[in-house]
Amino acid sequence: TQLLEQSPQFLSIQEGENLTVYCNSSSVFSSLQWYRQEPGEGPVLLVTVVTGGEVKKLKRLTFQFGDARKDSSLHITAAQPGDTGLYLCAGAPYNQGGKLIFGQGTELSVKP
Amino acid sequence: DSGVTQTPKHLITATGQRVTLRCSPRSGDLSVYWYQQSLDQGLQFLIQYYNGEERAKGNILERFSAQQFPDLHSELNLSSLELGDSALYFCASSVDGHPGDTEAFFGQGTRLTVV
Repeated sequence: TQLLEQSPQFLSIQEGENLTVYCNSSSVFSSLQWYRQEPGEGPVLLVTVVTGGEVKKLKRLTFQFGDARKDSSLHITAAQPGDTGLYLCAGAPYNQGGKLIFGQGTELSVKP
Repeated sequence: DSGVTQTPKHLITATGQRVTLRCSPRSGDLSVYWYQQSLDQGLQFLIQYYNGEERAKGNILERFSAQQFPDLHSELNLSSLELGDSALYFCASSVDGHPGDTEAFFGQGTRLTVV
């Protein structure tokens, strides 16, 4: 069974602090995505990483795909209250069509 | 607004009943995905259809079935409902069949409560 383990599950920080969310698996994925979900809404795609070792930046967010394509991280610099939400990683297994394996999510709260 | 429309938004029904959840994908998207989100299991992939054909299957119970119609809308049928089926059910759509290559857009979900 392919699993993605996300940590931490909950994170409460002050505005201006930095944080890192980790997504780990024993399985190899063809690509990995990060989503953000607000209460009452569906997940919204933030980024897709497809190459082992790839680093992508989206303003204050930095995403990294591990060299072995089994893990990923999301780093937020100088967090703001608007970053509050549920962050989900999702891996696309090889040769399984459109299936995505989601991590359990990280509930981030940024206090002003 | 993602462009993916799910109806109904909320559904309360009794154990043993059958319900149908409906999804209209974004205009031009050929692929539809169904997911179940619960507190203990997180977001679980159920099934994917691409242009009317089943493309991938996940942890979908035998009591659940889905289909994609010629106009590309999709329905998820849940039968013999149990308390444990209470969850948020999301539909997502994408242009092609592989979410790693293209963005999948999620609807707002249907919250199903089985009592």
